Amino acid sequence: GGIITQTPKFLIGQEGQKLTLKCQQNFNHDTMYWYRQDSGKGLRLIYYSITENDLQKGDLSEGYDASREKKSSFSLTVTSAQKNEMAVFLCASSRLGGQSQNTLYFGAGTRLSVL
Amino acid sequence: SQLAEENLWALSVHEGESVTVNCSYKTSITALQWYRQKSGEGPAQLILIRSNEREKRNGRLRATLDTSSQSSSLSITATRCEDTAVYFCATYPNYNVLYFGSGTKLTVEP
Repeated sequence: GGIITQTPKFLIGQEGQKLTLKCQQNFNHDTMYWYRQDSGKGLRLIYYSITENDLQKGDLSEGYDASREKKSSFSLTVTSAQKNEMAVFLCASSRLGGQSQNTLYFGAGTRLSVL
Repeated sequence: SQLAEENLWALSVHEGESVTVNCSYKTSITALQWYRQKSGEGPAQLILIRSNEREKRNGRLRATLDTSSQSSSLSITATRCEDTAVYFCATYPNYNVLYFGSGTKLTVEP
């Protein structure tokens, strides 16, 4: 078994601020993902990383940067927080991407509010 | 447009009843996955059903897949209050990325 740890659990920022969310996994998985979830909506992919040193944009990458520091960690930066923005950011990991039968394992999320 | 989509935004049943959540998808797939997300948690996979399978079971859960109509269903029998959650279907329409539907919020009342 393993676990995905996201920090912080709650993040309150101000408009225009640069905010960084962190994710660590101990599954020894190659692929990691960042999804955004808005209230009552599905998950939209922001960035993913197939292996260490790889970075791929998802459908929602504008306004975000990502960094795969090492195999076990993947960070997401909101480059300029938008006023009244509220969402949950979910980190996930899986064995090497490209396999439709891969299971994604998710963290509990970071809840972002922008004042 | 959504590549995978559940057909209902919300459902409510009483404990002990059975319930079915439906999903339709838009591309060819090799597998479809069902996830459940409880309040305050990340999604967790319930069932993975491959394109050559018509039905897959996991305890009280049963998933079906109809590739001709590009649809899937997830049935839960003998529901419990702890089944209250949002249920998502998800598919891999391209090589690396899992796409999720918007989810069906299921409430199981005592």
